[in-house]
Amino acid sequence: GAVVSQHPSWVICKSGTSVKIECRSLDFQATTMFWYRQFPKQSLMLMATSNEGSKATYEQGVEKDKFLINHASLTLSTLTVTSAHPEDSSFYICSAPPIAGGSTDTQYFGPGTRLTVL
Amino acid sequence: AQSVTQLGSHVSVSEGALVLLRCNYSSSVPPYLFWYVQYPNQGLQLLLKYTTGATLVKGINGFEAEFKKSETSFHLTKPSAHMSDAAEYFCAVSEGTGFQKLVFGTGTRLLVSP
Repeated sequence: GAVVSQHPSWVICKSGTSVKIECRSLDFQATTMFWYRQFPKQSLMLMATSNEGSKATYEQGVEKDKFLINHASLTLSTLTVTSAHPEDSSFYICSAPPIAGGSTDTQYFGPGTRLTVL
Repeated sequence: AQSVTQLGSHVSVSEGALVLLRCNYSSSVPPYLFWYVQYPNQGLQLLLKYTTGATLVKGINGFEAEFKKSETSFHLTKPSAHMSDAAEYFCAVSEGTGFQKLVFGTGTRLLVSP
């Protein structure tokens, strides 16, 4: 099946620093990628929709200047957490619907990135 | 707004026993409903989905779910649990066009004992 990778799988950083998380579709192309955040014992919450070649669309309550999204190619989207604080510590997951193949509801998920901000 | 409720953050069963994971949803439009499974250090995998048509949906690994509109439920079942079924299970409902934006439940961890 189609594979989505995320890098890094886990990261620890100091408060105030920035962290970049990559989401790659390894064997298919995607014009759209979704970024989710999951706090412990809570559900995955959609943060933003990444669009190749255009600006990302953010969900209500998500700070676009804090969570910078770049969809540079049809196989790569990056999420940068700027000036990270301990409350940003979470599990970040991306998903990608393929351009070709599958139905309109098909999408593949990455394994997630665990961010811990000290 | 759409929402999903999964009753029980943990469900424990014995190997060979019936698995029942509960999911209730709220939606103002006909929903697309999904069950995903997540094994440690892996991405979410689609178990099954309901879009339209037959309300009893069969998925991978012997799982099935029934869409009951009157009860706004989409419970996941498997007649006989296997040790390899131990994982985290998420119910989700689609939101928005393209049915790709998902609203997830909080997940249920299935524990299977020998």
